[in-house]
Amino acid sequence: DAEITQSPRHKITETGRQVTLACHQTWNHNNMFWYRQDLGHGLRLIHYSYGVQDTNKGEVSDGYSVSRSNTEDLPLTLESAASSQTSVYFCASRPSGSGNEQFFGPGTRLTVL
Amino acid sequence: QKEVEQDPGPLSVPEGAIVSLNCTYSNSAFQYFMWYRQYSRKGPELLMYTYSSGNKEDGRFTAQVDKSSKYISLFIRDSQPSDSATYLCAMSGDGTGNQFYFGTGTSLTVIP
Repeated sequence: DAEITQSPRHKITETGRQVTLACHQTWNHNNMFWYRQDLGHGLRLIHYSYGVQDTNKGEVSDGYSVSRSNTEDLPLTLESAASSQTSVYFCASRPSGSGNEQFFGPGTRLTVL
Repeated sequence: QKEVEQDPGPLSVPEGAIVSLNCTYSNSAFQYFMWYRQYSRKGPELLMYTYSSGNKEDGRFTAQVDKSSKYISLFIRDSQPSDSATYLCAMSGDGTGNQFYFGTGTSLTVIP
């Protein structure tokens, strides 16, 4: 079955380290998204991509970067991890065309000490 | 002011109760309204999707949109313990769905 996966599911890192969170989908969706979810803030958009080589900044993009070299993957990189980036990160994908459902991955729980 | 406001709860109801969950929003350009359900330590999954104003029913779930009041609701009839989850409203302004605005989520517990 087609799916969207994230790895790792849990990560503990130290302040200042570079961290990369993986997102992989097998639906062949053009549109992919990264969100962070924090208590009191809900889901906030970090970056999104409409297709290969396309990336766009979302609401809370500072300190994060993404790259899209193929349809299936959108890795999220924290250039220099900060304690404020402790959060749960969700990747989502959506096919092009009509309809509005975004399919979410299971999430990555990141702790920055 | 946030684009979307949602009462975080928590909400606790007995099994069989009718549950009402609500969101308000400020952007009149929103045309697409969604409710996602999120179980603990899982990703959100789409529950209901509505375009523009009106009602939509799916089994025990009814979604209502009142664009004149900028207010959306989700009703759950005959609530079950399996409905215990966090419910997030989401909105977008166009059919691409590429910019979603989420509420903070309402935590619901249905007590057997």
